[in-house]
Order: sequence, then C-alpha cells, then structure tokens
Amino acid sequence: DAKTTQPPSMDCAEGRAANLPCNHSTISGNEYVYWYRQIHSQGPQYIIHGLKNNETNEMASLIITEDRKSSTLILPHATLRDTAVYYCIVPNTDKLIFGTGTRLQVFP
Amino acid sequence: DAGITQSPRHKVTETGTPVTLRCHQTENHRYMYWYRQDPGHGLRLIHYSYGVKDTDKGEVSDGYSVSRSKTEDFLLTLESATSSQTSVYFCAGSGGLGTEAFFGQGTRLTVV
Repeated sequence: DAKTTQPPSMDCAEGRAANLPCNHSTISGNEYVYWYRQIHSQGPQYIIHGLKNNETNEMASLIITEDRKSSTLILPHATLRDTAVYYCIVPNTDKLIFGTGTRLQVFP
Repeated sequence: DAGITQSPRHKVTETGTPVTLRCHQTENHRYMYWYRQDPGHGLRLIHYSYGVKDTDKGEVSDGYSVSRSKTEDFLLTLESATSSQTSVYFCAGSGGLGTEAFFGQGTRLTVV
C-alpha cells in the first residue's frame, strides 16, 4: 500500500469547515484514496473515496491534487458529532491497512 | 454496520483457553477482514479472506488463525489466549479494491 502521512491531531470550531490533509506521494496511477472515520470506540465508517477527480457526497468532499500526491477531506460544516479519528488509506492490494489517522476535535 | 455482525460482543476468558470470534455478513462481500485495536496502535490487520477457504496473513497474525468455510462467516480463533491478546476486535467486509468496506461493532476480549 502507498504510505500515507496525516497530522496526528487537529481542532475545528463547530460550524466551520474541517480540512484534513493526507500525503500519499508514492501513490500509483490506479490506486484509490479512501477516507474512513472512527467515532469513539465504534467500528470505522466509510466516508468517501476517489481516484483522480474531486468527489462529493452527503458527508464530505474529497479534493485530490492534480499530481495525486496529496488529498484533503473537507467536512463543510463540522459538528460536535464529527469528533473522531479520520483515516486516509491508499490500498493497492487486497489488504486494507490502516495507519494511526488524524484525531479531529470539534469544539463549541 | 451494513450487514456485518460480530459475536460475542464482549468476552472474558482465561489465559491458555481457546477462543473463537465470529463475523457474519449478509451482503455477499467477497473480502472479509479481522483487525485488532489497542490504545496507541490504531487498527492492525490480523488476517483477511479473499474468498471461501482463501485466507492470508495481515500485519499481526501470530497467535491467530482464521477460517472461512462459507461466504457469510469468517471465524477468528485464538488457540491459546494470552493477556497480550486482550483487545477490541473488528471485522469488516468489502467487495475489494474500488469498493468501500463495512465494519462490525467490535468484540471486546479480555484475557485474564
């Protein structure tokens, strides 16, 4: 799997956009970028994934740079319930390997 | 949880005893995964399966075995539980690369 680098923690004010960066400089042309999050001790939850183009769904937007070496997950209006650990992964095999992610704290 | 059910949800067992955790899915996922999660380590892949009777090791497979005799069930076995295997275990299923993975709610295992 392509190695990903994420900041260990970030803060965001409630109502503001949360922008979570991920570096994946060794990504190959056919590898997807996935984002998951884990709220407290629950099972991880899929958020979004993309290959080349920017993607948006009801939860978030994913912005992938043109060279695909980095991406940003955007939560447009963060709420307290978005406090979680966010994982960026780039699997290139059947294995699904998670790193340590970014702990996002949304404060009132 | 999108059709991923783990059982039991909580278990306390003694050192040296065998333990089997079950993951059941109803979505016909081809791939299934077992992870453990410990404080400070995030999710670590134990074993995964890419089809019935097809399994492979993950990052931390020592002391664990798995079996998948049918699509719906993926079993994780600790042949002789040790205190270091006290952890929260998560199961997941997916259709493979390009698809999303769905996770169960976890099994909290305590080995005393």
